[in-house]
Amino acid sequence: QVQLQESGPGLVKTSETLSLTCTVSGGSISSDYWSWIRQPPGKGLEWIGYISYSGRTNYNPSLKSRVTISEDTSKNQFSLKLSSVTAADTAFYYCARLTIVEATTGFDYWGQGTLVTVSS
Amino acid sequence: SSDLTQDPAVSVALGQTVRITCQGDSLRSYYASWYQQKPGQAPLLVIYGKNNRPSGIPDRFSGSSSGNTASLTITGAQAEDEADFYCNSRHNNGNHWVFGGGTKLTVL
Repeated sequence: QVQLQESGPGLVKTSETLSLTCTVSGGSISSDYWSWIRQPPGKGLEWIGYISYSGRTNYNPSLKSRVTISEDTSKNQFSLKLSSVTAADTAFYYCARLTIVEATTGFDYWGQGTLVTVSS
Repeated sequence: SSDLTQDPAVSVALGQTVRITCQGDSLRSYYASWYQQKPGQAPLLVIYGKNNRPSGIPDRFSGSSSGNTASLTITGAQAEDEADFYCNSRHNNGNHWVFGGGTKLTVL
């Protein structure tokens, strides 16, 4: 059973960089695609981006200029950095595994999520 | 705004059948996946692909698609099915993923 766990600061100051790490157990990040998804409190889901089994990244165009997703295969972890944050970036941040088979895709395993609040 | 459009709220009587829909151009090329989210919990994948259920998802959940519309059907809704439901698919350009705005399901 694949399990994911987010970790990182719950409070980030305006204009600084949000940094989160997702630790994967029961599976290897050297296979499949590993994503970050966020959800502002009381609102809907937004896909942030992914890092693939080969280390290739792909980002939401609306966030691309501020997002970096990286991996540490030795620790079976992948990470999110979001720069120049504002209050609009306050959200629950989830890591998830994305499975892609031709036209069929799905986020089949999720972490429990972590709330990151941006405040001055 | 979202590239996938869902009705904000739907209600169903206990034991009856309900259909939740999702519209978007990307659904002509890619299958939708569906997620159930209960308060305070992470989303849970309930349907993916043509009509596939992950292990542990009850068979009262099913999916279908026609043209630019994907549907999630719950046959014999139970009280525990009350939740927010989100659709998701790969964007038309194939380079990123989009979610619908979500549908709040109330079981009466």
